[in-house]
Amino acid sequence: QAVLTQPSSLSASPGASASLTCTLRSGINVGTYRIYWYQQKPGSPPQYLLRYKSDSDKQQGSGVPSRFSGSKDASANAGILLISGLQSEDEADYYCMIWHSSAYVFGTGTKVTVL
Amino acid sequence: QVQLVESGGGLVKPGGSLRLSCAASGFTFSDYYMSWIRQAPGKGLEWVSYISSSSSYTNYADSVKGRFTISRDNAKNSLYLQMNSLRAEDTAVYYCARSYSYALDYWGQGTLVTVSS
Repeated sequence: QAVLTQPSSLSASPGASASLTCTLRSGINVGTYRIYWYQQKPGSPPQYLLRYKSDSDKQQGSGVPSRFSGSKDASANAGILLISGLQSEDEADYYCMIWHSSAYVFGTGTKVTVL
Repeated sequence: QVQLVESGGGLVKPGGSLRLSCAASGFTFSDYYMSWIRQAPGKGLEWVSYISSSSSYTNYADSVKGRFTISRDNAKNSLYLQMNSLRAEDTAVYYCARSYSYALDYWGQGTLVTVSS
C-alpha cells in the first residue's frame, strides 16, 4: 500500500470547486504532518503550491493564487487541496508530499481535467 | 530570481555511470538543503536524495542507495548526483530542487537520463 494515495483523476467544470484528496496509509496520522501540494503541467517541472498542517501552520507558495487552499479531513486521515473557481489553466497533475522518516514521500498524483 | 539548471543527462548503457549537475543562482546556495527528484516517463514523482546545506547530512531512496551519491560544492553553487550501476528502471527526468522548511519550493527544468542498450 502506498504511503500517500490520491485518486487518479478528477473532472470538473470551469468555475466549480475541486477537492483533491491525499490519503495517508493506515498507521500514519495526518494530524502530525505538514502536507505539501504541487502542480505539474505537461512538459514542465512541478510547481510548489502550498503547505498545510493546520490553520495556524500553513504557507502559500510564492505567487500562488488564494483560490488554492489546503485543509485536512482527520476522519479520513487525508489532506485536501481545494481549488476554487476552477479555470482552464488549472488543468494539470497534482501531487501531495510529506516528510516522513527522514525522506520525502510523494503521492500517486491526480490528473485534473477542466471540462 | 531563483534559477536551477540541470545538466549531464543522456543515453547510457545498463551498468554504466553518469554524473548530473545542477547550477544554482539567485539565492544563497550554501543556506539551503537540496534534493534530487526523478520522474519516469508517464509516471509520478519519486524523491531520490537530499543533502544538507553543509553536506553533513545525506539520505537516499532505497531504490538508489549504494549506487547513487549526492554532493555539492557551495563555492561553485552547484549540486551533483553521481549515478553508478545504472539500470533501465533509472530512466527518468531528474530534477534538482531547493528545500525551504522542508518544502521543495523551486525546481529546475530537469535533465533526461535514458538507460538502454
